[in-house]
Amino acid sequence: EVQVVESGGILVQPGGSLTLSCVAPGFIFKNYWMNWVRQAPGKGLEWVAIIKEDGREKHYVDSVKGRFTISRDNAENSLILQMSSLRADDTAVYFCARDPGKPNWGAFDIWGQGTMVTVSS
Amino acid sequence: DVVMTQSPLSLPVTLGQPASISCRSSQSLVFRDGNTYLHWFQQRPGQSPRRLIYKVSNRDSGVPDRFSGSGSGTDFTLKISRVEAEDIGVYYCMQGTQWPYTFGQGTKLEIK
Repeated sequence: EVQVVESGGILVQPGGSLTLSCVAPGFIFKNYWMNWVRQAPGKGLEWVAIIKEDGREKHYVDSVKGRFTISRDNAENSLILQMSSLRADDTAVYFCARDPGKPNWGAFDIWGQGTMVTVSS
Repeated sequence: DVVMTQSPLSLPVTLGQPASISCRSSQSLVFRDGNTYLHWFQQRPGQSPRRLIYKVSNRDSGVPDRFSGSGSGTDFTLKISRVEAEDIGVYYCMQGTQWPYTFGQGTKLEIK
């Protein structure tokens, strides 16, 4: 089955760090751009970051630049989000989403179930 | 950044009646390759988002044909010809034409 599965979400204190993972069995992971999207409790969707198939190109939403790092390990079919200097407004469910890329940029066709990150003292 | 504005934000609909959601972008979503990267996602209560329509009007497999997408440039619409109970949830438009990708605020469809 084509799917992605996130993990790593926990309760963390403000200013702390956390690493989220997403594993992607069932498809050729190295052929796809991958994304992180988040959703604060009761709020809408917010795109967070994207990484190219080979990991050489990355883009972020302004609110996480300098604090979050997206990376991938194609040998392990895994996507990573390293989060630091966490703030209360980073509290959200974090989704991993597959991007079909050209010619369907942003048309996320596979979503995980999400992993909850809570930033609170 | 491209701002995506949906309306209405709340949409009460009677079963069997049509529904329409508008999505407007702050700038044209036509990419240099001629494609328009405007997509629609559905999020049912307690579930992850699911893609419904990609590149304005292409319906995903398994999506009922009562869903349709249209529009161009900066003005887009998602229509449901006859709302069914399984359609309740929040609908988001999203642009993939430029980074950062941006979503609309979401439109909550509920049954009257």
